[in-house]
Amino acid sequence: QVQLQESGPGLVKPSETLSLTCTVSGGSISNYYWSWIRQPPGQGLEWIGFISNSGITNYNPSLKSRVAISMDTSKSHFSLKVRSVTAADTAVYYCARLVIAAATRRWFDPWGQGAPVTVSS
Amino acid sequence: QPVLSQPRSFSASRGDSARLTCTLSSGINVGNFNMYWYQQKPGSPPRFLLYYNSDSDKGQGSGVPSRFSGSKDVSTNSGILVISGLQSEDEADYYCMIWPSNALFGGGTTLTVL
Repeated sequence: QVQLQESGPGLVKPSETLSLTCTVSGGSISNYYWSWIRQPPGQGLEWIGFISNSGITNYNPSLKSRVAISMDTSKSHFSLKVRSVTAADTAVYYCARLVIAAATRRWFDPWGQGAPVTVSS
Repeated sequence: QPVLSQPRSFSASRGDSARLTCTLSSGINVGNFNMYWYQQKPGSPPRFLLYYNSDSDKGQGSGVPSRFSGSKDVSTNSGILVISGLQSEDEADYYCMIWPSNALFGGGTTLTVL
């Protein structure tokens, strides 16, 4: 079964770039869509974006100007970059597989364990 | 920008049923969307529970017990997660989600089992 594991720095300085990687195991990264979702401390979930198996990306409009998702099939991982971070970007960042059962039927399953990231000087 | 509203907390007794609601903001019609539900326990990632569009168009996540089910209430423009036969292990945060043009989550409901 597919498993995901996030990795990356847990502390990022304001105005710098947050970079995280999600390593996929137990299945081919080329067969699915992949997504990033974040959860600020004590708050709810916010979808960041996804990347298709052909490399097409789609982002949350509220983050689109600062976010980039890429994929490296040879390493079986996909990555997230968030530029010009502020304290508001402090959150647990989850990667997840985006299951697309039909054009209007899609959900996130499974999820990684999450990577806590703090933005602070 | 559409909004999904969930009660911040809900409590019910062990063995009872819980109906957790997710109300769509005006301008978006619950009848037009599949409703997705996730469960998140403290210190763990969310877990996909189920999706519900209608009684003939619904699906359960892998390993999710049948006592978790979904429905809709068009009169209140809401999606509903029903958990029957509540168990202490059901204590968690529950999030609803729809896809208008992008994935949109509700703020979550914390379920306490008394």
